[in-house]
Amino acid sequence: DAGVTQSPTHLIKTRGQQVTLRCSPKSGHDTVSWYQQALGQGPQFIFQYYEEEERQRGNFPDRFSGHQFPNYSSELNVNALLLGDSALYLCASSSVGQTQETQYFGPGTRLLVL
Amino acid sequence: AQKVTQAQTEISVVEKEDVTLDCVYETRDTTYYLFWYKQPPSGELVFLIRRNSFDEQNEISGRYSWNFQKSTSSFNFTITASQVVDSAVYFCALSENWGGGADGLTFGKGTHLIIQP
Repeated sequence: DAGVTQSPTHLIKTRGQQVTLRCSPKSGHDTVSWYQQALGQGPQFIFQYYEEEERQRGNFPDRFSGHQFPNYSSELNVNALLLGDSALYLCASSSVGQTQETQYFGPGTRLLVL
Repeated sequence: AQKVTQAQTEISVVEKEDVTLDCVYETRDTTYYLFWYKQPPSGELVFLIRRNSFDEQNEISGRYSWNFQKSTSSFNFTITASQVVDSAVYFCALSENWGGGADGLTFGKGTHLIIQP
């Protein structure tokens, strides 16, 4: 049973550029959440996608956007990159409808903005 | 607004000692979920346990045990007879329920646990 997968594993960009990160959920899951984890901090919730729509959003600017595809996979896009966007980006999947759902995380994408 | 506080930034113990990681949470919802995750140096968050707000029964899984007390809004995690492999950053997290599933997680800042041989 494949777990949550993310690509790429590492990425280096320069300020002002745009980046797209990808996530495939665990088999049987239909909901994808994205988190940003700065060095030495806990993960911060960016947004959650369900039924191809953004269902909930954390306190992140509009530069952060996403998409969910019919196969439940998801992308996170960040425009106009800032140095402060350097972080580990984590994707988690879960399943709506189960009364006791748990979010399972992928290995993350380490983004460095120079 | 919801909040999770892990007051212990770093804990260092010698192998085989017992250690407790504290977690205090705040939420206005009556239905919510509490979690503990482990993050080894590789970075991937590993799920350890989930607790529902309506289930205050404590749980034991091998050397791990969890104490959930709604009266004090705490969800503490104890490792008995610690081992070097337990060294990692541990996160407590909270999620509220929107009726169809769980919201995005609110994490504490984490506790870095160091087990010395």
